[in-house]
Amino acid sequence: NAGVMQNPRHLVRRRGQEARLRCSPMKGHSHVYWYRQLPEEGLKFMVYLQKENIIDESGMPKERFSAEFPKEGPSILRIQQVVRGDSAAYFCASSPTGTNSPLHFGNGTRLTVT
Amino acid sequence: AQRVTQPEKLLSVFKGAPVELKCNYSYSGSPELFWYVQYSRQRLQLLLRHISRESIKGFTADLNKGETSFHLKKPFAQEEDSAMYYCALDSGGSNYKLTFGKGTLLTVNP
Repeated sequence: NAGVMQNPRHLVRRRGQEARLRCSPMKGHSHVYWYRQLPEEGLKFMVYLQKENIIDESGMPKERFSAEFPKEGPSILRIQQVVRGDSAAYFCASSPTGTNSPLHFGNGTRLTVT
Repeated sequence: AQRVTQPEKLLSVFKGAPVELKCNYSYSGSPELFWYVQYSRQRLQLLLRHISRESIKGFTADLNKGETSFHLKKPFAQEEDSAMYYCALDSGGSNYKLTFGKGTLLTVNP
């Protein structure tokens, strides 16, 4: 089992471009979570998804950010019209069931906005 | 709003010495707290959670609501304990709505 796979590992975007971050959960896991780590900060919860459903997006910025987890394929975190403040490490985690099951984290995607 | 503070960015001890990694939290509700660990070139993984009241790899952590602390302790540190340690607070009662501290890098010297 390869674990949670995130790609790309590093992503550079100019201001105003779109960033797409991908996350493939562990085999058998249908619950996906995204976290953001701003420079000099700890990770913070953004959004929780199951296949084709957003369960909890209380940590998502209100504008420009969206997430999906389609029936087929990886979960995508999409950031439109990126700004310098979006530069951060974005981590994905997955679990086999929803509440109270341990989270398995990916290696993260480091987004740099120039 | 919830907040997790790990006051030490770096902590260095010798093998066999006791180690304590500090964590303080701020949260108006009933907290659930965790310690996560990231070993060199590995992914972030759960070390222990306070409701389990268990000892993992010799580490224990006690929730002190009066002092709003959840310090991680081990009586005799080993070189393989060298890693980045993150304290995390769950504000949703669900195990995933986590706010992490900035982390403490523990180095255990031979």
